[in-house]
Amino acid sequence: EVQLLESGGGLVQPGGSLRLSCAASGFTFSTYAMSWVRQAPGKGLEWVSVIIGSGGSTFYADSVKGRFTISRDNSKNTLYLQMNSLRVEDTAIYYCARTLSGYWFDPWGQGTLVTVSS
Amino acid sequence: EIVLTQSPGTLSLSPGERATLSCRASQTISSSYLAWYQQKPGQAPRLLIYGASSRATGIPDRFSGSGSGTDFTLTISRLEPEDFAVYYCQQYGGSPPLFTFGQGTKLEIK
Repeated sequence: EVQLLESGGGLVQPGGSLRLSCAASGFTFSTYAMSWVRQAPGKGLEWVSVIIGSGGSTFYADSVKGRFTISRDNSKNTLYLQMNSLRVEDTAIYYCARTLSGYWFDPWGQGTLVTVSS
Repeated sequence: EIVLTQSPGTLSLSPGERATLSCRASQTISSSYLAWYQQKPGQAPRLLIYGASSRATGIPDRFSGSGSGTDFTLTISRLEPEDFAVYYCQQYGGSPPLFTFGQGTKLEIK
């Protein structure tokens, strides 16, 4: 069974940093692109970042470019999101998702909540 | 940037009825790049339809997708109680931002 399990969320002050992890199992991790998608409380879905299987290419939404860094460790089947210079508007549930054919997301993890507040 | 606009914002129907949800793109997109998701309260989204009309694994055949160009539709032929949820369309644009979502349609029990 394909499973994704996020961790690392929590409460952080504006300007602070946090590192999210997503542990993958049930599929050949290194052969799939992986993404982070977030959802602010009561709001819709916003794509954040994607990384190809090898880790050689990464892409970001303008809202996080220069502040967030996506990476992966294929030996550990784990995806990461390093979040720096956090803002109140980054408060959201962060989901990791396998990116099929490079075009759509399936499955999704259960999400981890990041709250940026003083 | 391609903007996806979903309508209606809220759809109130009864179990057994047919639901038709719309997703309109601000410019022509490839059908291969259009997907639909279902999200229930407190849960992660679930892929329903990819490539505009292909059902994902395990999705009942009462769910169907159609459309091309700028207009896409998700149809639920006969609503079951578990179908009441929020539905999102999503597209891959190939240029920044790579992926965009519609704002969602809430399907509620009438």
